[in-house]
Amino acid sequence: EPEVTQTPSHQVTQMGQEVILRCVPISNHLYFYWYRQILGQKVEFLVSFYNNEISEKSEIFDDQFSVERPDGSNFTLKIRSTKLEDSAMYFCASRTGPGNYGYTFGSGTRLTVV
Amino acid sequence: SQQGEEDPQALSIQEGENATMNCSYKTSINNLQWYRQNSGRGLVHLILIRSNEREKHSGRLRVTLDTSKKSSSLLITASRAADTASYFCATSLIFGGYQKVTFGIGTKLQVIP
Repeated sequence: EPEVTQTPSHQVTQMGQEVILRCVPISNHLYFYWYRQILGQKVEFLVSFYNNEISEKSEIFDDQFSVERPDGSNFTLKIRSTKLEDSAMYFCASRTGPGNYGYTFGSGTRLTVV
Repeated sequence: SQQGEEDPQALSIQEGENATMNCSYKTSINNLQWYRQNSGRGLVHLILIRSNEREKHSGRLRVTLDTSKKSSSLLITASRAADTASYFCATSLIFGGYQKVTFGIGTKLQVIP
């Protein structure tokens, strides 16, 4: 069964530091997403990415966030200057194409900002 | 808001019993999806039901969709301890080939052996 792979599984960073969360989506998928889940809360949409550009982003996805697909396989989420409230599980997801398809999620990166 | 809301927020049952979780939403959708999340892990896609479908089965899972009431239910039959997890409904709206999926707050299911 193809998987979405996320690394690292857990990252601890100092407030104000930059972090890059990495994802390898399923190879023939075309649509990519980042979601986050603060502990005990709902899963929140951050950004969607298709055809090498952002399709949509939420209010959470401000200027501190950016995404990139640098080499055709990796899909990264960068937080430039982390805040305490960025502590959450970050999930990458991918989808094969338009229409009625579900997402395949990675197992997440737990980001802890101290 | 398109967001689904699950009911109940927590459910505890004995192994072998059936578990029913409900989801209500507010706007039109193209499909509705159910996901499972084991504690501290990622979300696993369980089943997708399209807006023109009323019922769908997958193994011990049965999903219904009532678009007139803007509600869906997930039934897990003959539950097992391994079914203990949080279950999320996610509503999906498709426009111009782009799919926007919004998650509810989830139902935490505990199956007691």
